Amino acid sequence: DADVTQTPRNRITKTGKRIMLECSQTKGHDRMYWYRQDPGLGLRLIYYSFDVKDINKGEISDGYSVSRQAQAKFSLSLESAIPNQTALYFCATSDFSSLETQYFGPGTRLLVL
Amino acid sequence: QKEVEQDPGPLSVPEGAIVSLNCTYSNSAFQYFMWYRQYSRKGPELLMYTYSSGNKEDGRFTAQVDKSSKYISLFIRDSQPSDSATYLCAMYSGGGADGLTFGKGTHLIIQP
Repeated sequence: DADVTQTPRNRITKTGKRIMLECSQTKGHDRMYWYRQDPGLGLRLIYYSFDVKDINKGEISDGYSVSRQAQAKFSLSLESAIPNQTALYFCATSDFSSLETQYFGPGTRLLVL
Repeated sequence: QKEVEQDPGPLSVPEGAIVSLNCTYSNSAFQYFMWYRQYSRKGPELLMYTYSSGNKEDGRFTAQVDKSSKYISLFIRDSQPSDSATYLCAMYSGGGADGLTFGKGTHLIIQP
């Protein structure tokens, strides 16, 4: 089984809808991240969490919220989806001792109509 | 100007060629320099990382960091069609304060 899993893998939604993307990991890492990837813009950090009680905004947090339900679970929510949130979303994890080594999930492809 | 600049390509070379991929950056606080490889429809995976300046070799791959020039490189020797992927450079200042800063990625195509 994969160490970092994301659900759903693909999602189509409409403008104004609330949507949640989920991430689970079995690596035992304390740090988890959400990134989005857009053509021509690369990977950009949305939110990151160092443990269950620690949530931090990244470069592009506006329009997003997160929840760290447990050490192994980190969810990303779009409260009211808009078309420019159409992107590929990745969850990643790292151990506290080696933040440079991040393990990425397979990604969620989101289309907002 | 973005903190990390990387030519998106595509870069197309024949099988067996030496490939050179590069990134420049502006933040002198970066201490850790990584190369991630991303195959189509997959998440990125760490290929190599280097702390501070210098070279690091792993099989056919060599990573170089020149902090004085704020320039990093990844060389691939004896390139194979299976090396075809997008290569992303990433950087981090250390201290655990935030996440990685990525380049846009270079799309590499190795022609059989």
